[in-house]
Amino acid sequence: DVKVTQSSRYLVKRTGEKVFLECVQDMDHENMFWYRQDPGLGLRLIYFSYDVKMKEKGDIPEGYSVSREKKERFSLILESASTNQTSMYLCASSFIGREDNEQFFGPGTRLTVL
Amino acid sequence: KQEVTQIPAALSVPEGENLVLNCSFTDSAIYNLQWFRQDPGKGLTSLLLIQSSQREQTSGRLNASLDKSSGRSTLYIAASQPGDSATYLCAVIGGSEKLVFGKGMKLTVNP
Repeated sequence: DVKVTQSSRYLVKRTGEKVFLECVQDMDHENMFWYRQDPGLGLRLIYFSYDVKMKEKGDIPEGYSVSREKKERFSLILESASTNQTSMYLCASSFIGREDNEQFFGPGTRLTVL
Repeated sequence: KQEVTQIPAALSVPEGENLVLNCSFTDSAIYNLQWFRQDPGKGLTSLLLIQSSQREQTSGRLNASLDKSSGRSTLYIAASQPGDSATYLCAVIGGSEKLVFGKGMKLTVNP
């Protein structure tokens, strides 16, 4: 079974803190993705990575950065957390460039910034 | 720019009904289309993936069809059960490797 795991299910942080969200996949997927999901706005792509040390901005990268030092791990970093970053964060992974590149999601991290 | 629409946003039905969930997309140049299920507060679970060369895929009581030329997909759920209550999302992928999601349809199946 494909497994995508995220470091925390729930996280509470204070405004201005640096926050790390970690994602690990065990399927040797090239692609990894970070999304946020908000009521009424749906899923929005923050960043994605197609290889180690490679990254590409998604639709809403402002206020976020990412790191991919190993193929299986993709980290999302909130440099200075703000209340408008309170959201559900979802990580996903997939193979690259194939018609059957099904995307698999982790369980999500519910982040609250106070 | 690809846009994916799911109408209606919510549906409430009695148990046992056969259901059709709709998804439409504006650009027919897609690699595949994926249907997901999301339970409250949880991540997305992949239900079915239809490649652009395929017309349909089946898994248990679920059947998804794809008509690329008209920009439509349907997810058919046979003999619905209360456990099917969830939000269902469809998403398409083109050459950019990125999924474009619809806003989802919240399904409630009443016992």
